[in-house]
Amino acid sequence: QKEVEQNSGPLSVPEGAIASLNCTYSDRGSQSFFWYRQYSGKSPELIMSIYSNGDKEDGRFTAQLNKASQYVSLLIRDSQPSDSATYLCASGPGGYQKVTFGTGTKLQVIP
Amino acid sequence: GAVVSQHPSWVICKSGTSVKIECRSLDFQATTMFWYRQFPKQSLMLMATSNEGSKATYEQGVEKDKFLINHASLTLSTLTVTSAHPEDSSFYICSARDQEGAAFFGQGTRLTVV
Repeated sequence: QKEVEQNSGPLSVPEGAIASLNCTYSDRGSQSFFWYRQYSGKSPELIMSIYSNGDKEDGRFTAQLNKASQYVSLLIRDSQPSDSATYLCASGPGGYQKVTFGTGTKLQVIP
Repeated sequence: GAVVSQHPSWVICKSGTSVKIECRSLDFQATTMFWYRQFPKQSLMLMATSNEGSKATYEQGVEKDKFLINHASLTLSTLTVTSAHPEDSSFYICSARDQEGAAFFGQGTRLTVV
């Protein structure tokens, strides 16, 4: 059973702080990793993808991948109340095959 | 990123009737699309993989005769919930992948069966 594990939260951070979201995956064959943001009542939207070990930065977001530890993280700098949402981690073999989603971590940014 | 459009965004139907949900890839051709269901405060649950020109692949526990999937073209997949009952009320979301595996989701359809 391929699994992606996330702490359900809620993770509460003050506005302006760094939010750190973590994810582990069980399938060592995974090649593609994604972070999605889902607001309540809405469908998920892709915010970051990462395919190789190390860090990938995009604006206030940084994704980190460590394949040896089977660990993916997402850092959100200068957190804003609008970042309050559920963040889903996903991994997959790449290509058009299905990915496996974690259950999501709820983030609350306190003004 | 890729654009996936889903319609309708919400629907209310009577118990025993059928509801069709459409999922379109607007700027790319999707040979494979995925249908998910999400109950309140729960994670996404993959229902089935829709394959263009062939039968859908259903996940374990999903009734293929109740959730009919048709993927007749490279840009359109439909999910029909047949003989809907209140327990089928949920948020249904379709997605398509790009060649790197990133999933792009439709807006979702909130189904309420009364």
